[in-house]
Amino acid sequence: DSGVTQTPKHLITATGQRVTLRCSPRSGDLSVYWYQQSLDQGLQFLIQYYNGEERAKGNILERFSAQQFPDLHSELNLSSLELGDSALYFCASSVGRSSGGIEQFFGPGTRLTVL
Amino acid sequence: GENVEQHPSTLSVQEGDSAVIKCTYSDSASNYFPWYKQELGKRPQLIIDIRSNVGEKKDQRIAVTLNKTAKHFSLHITETQPEDSAVYFCAASKNNDMRFGAGTRLTVKP
Repeated sequence: DSGVTQTPKHLITATGQRVTLRCSPRSGDLSVYWYQQSLDQGLQFLIQYYNGEERAKGNILERFSAQQFPDLHSELNLSSLELGDSALYFCASSVGRSSGGIEQFFGPGTRLTVL
Repeated sequence: GENVEQHPSTLSVQEGDSAVIKCTYSDSASNYFPWYKQELGKRPQLIIDIRSNVGEKKDQRIAVTLNKTAKHFSLHITETQPEDSAVYFCAASKNNDMRFGAGTRLTVKP
């Protein structure tokens, strides 16, 4: 157990809908990262938050948004869902501001299925 | 932005043999190179990492080498065991942006 929690574990929804994925980082970690992992594919970095502020942006679609709250938990909002958005969404956390040189601890993931 | 290529995409070895996975990166400013192991249905977990000021690092049966000039780094697993079977991801990081390779599915046959 990495100490990072994600809810829900599974989510099934329809095209065009909007969903929210939630992540709680390890105690003491200030950075939260979101990744998308499609079937048999690698990890695509979406976005990073550090202490409530957006820190880095990767391949995140405009239909997706995220935020980090004062208690450091983070939410990833996915809207106007398409079939291709079906994937495993991982949240990771680390203690520092930079992703360089610091281990990221991954949560168990949320499996999103868009029908 | 950074682009990380990883080879091979699949690798099958006999128990006890060595396995080597190679990655190349495009941004010479990248300075941190972790390797993650992801077992089926589980979360990625860090197994070893290397910083750009080091050429090689070893941890028991696992070693990583880095060639900054050529912009490539490799994971070496010796004396492979069936429990090493998993998908391995390399990554390269600069500042706050970590980019992962596409992954290598390693199968160790008993």
